[in-house]
Amino acid sequence: DAGVIQSPRHEVTEMGQEVTLRCKPISGHDYLFWYRQTMMRGLELLIYFNNNVPIDDSGMPEDRFSAKMPNASFSTLKIQPSEPRDSAVYFCASSYQVRNEQFFGPGTRLTVL
Amino acid sequence: GNSVTQMEGPVTLSEEAFLTINCTYTATGYPSLFWYVQYPGEGLQLLLKATKADDKGSNKGFEATYRKETTSFHLEKGSVQVSDSAVYFCALLNYGGSQGNLIFGKGTKLSVKP
Repeated sequence: DAGVIQSPRHEVTEMGQEVTLRCKPISGHDYLFWYRQTMMRGLELLIYFNNNVPIDDSGMPEDRFSAKMPNASFSTLKIQPSEPRDSAVYFCASSYQVRNEQFFGPGTRLTVL
Repeated sequence: GNSVTQMEGPVTLSEEAFLTINCTYTATGYPSLFWYVQYPGEGLQLLLKATKADDKGSNKGFEATYRKETTSFHLEKGSVQVSDSAVYFCALLNYGGSQGNLIFGKGTKLSVKP
């Protein structure tokens, strides 16, 4: 199994640009999570899906952030417009059923200039 | 609400030293507890877990015991190696209803010197 796949691994963009982060969960997993990691705030859950349906998006910072899961094998996190304070590492994770181990992807390091 | 508090780092040890990283939690109900490890440039990996009181999770020489009476889940290893250098995260999962997300501590960076 390839594990959770995220792309791109690194993204550098300018303030105001749209950024799209992508995630492919492990096949058969029914939960998908998006996290953000910064030095100041640590690891924060942004949103999670169950069977492609968003369950809790209370961690999404503001309307500039949106996430979709059009099918069981693909999810996107979009930031529009991006701001320098969005610079962070964004992780996607997936699990089979809620109480089992979450498997994390390698992350996308986003830098907004 | 649910929260996890773990000791501030960084922690610097010599090879073969004993390691303890403290973790305490606040939660309603009966959460599951986890330790995740993050090596430089990588995502988080599950190190060990415990799902009920008095359970001991263990893996790769690391151990942690779920102590409900002290709401703690301290990570220990008897003899650390240079390859254990990483950031360690304590986390809890309190599921039920619509809940299903991990609550993480801030992380503790461990550096092991040869």
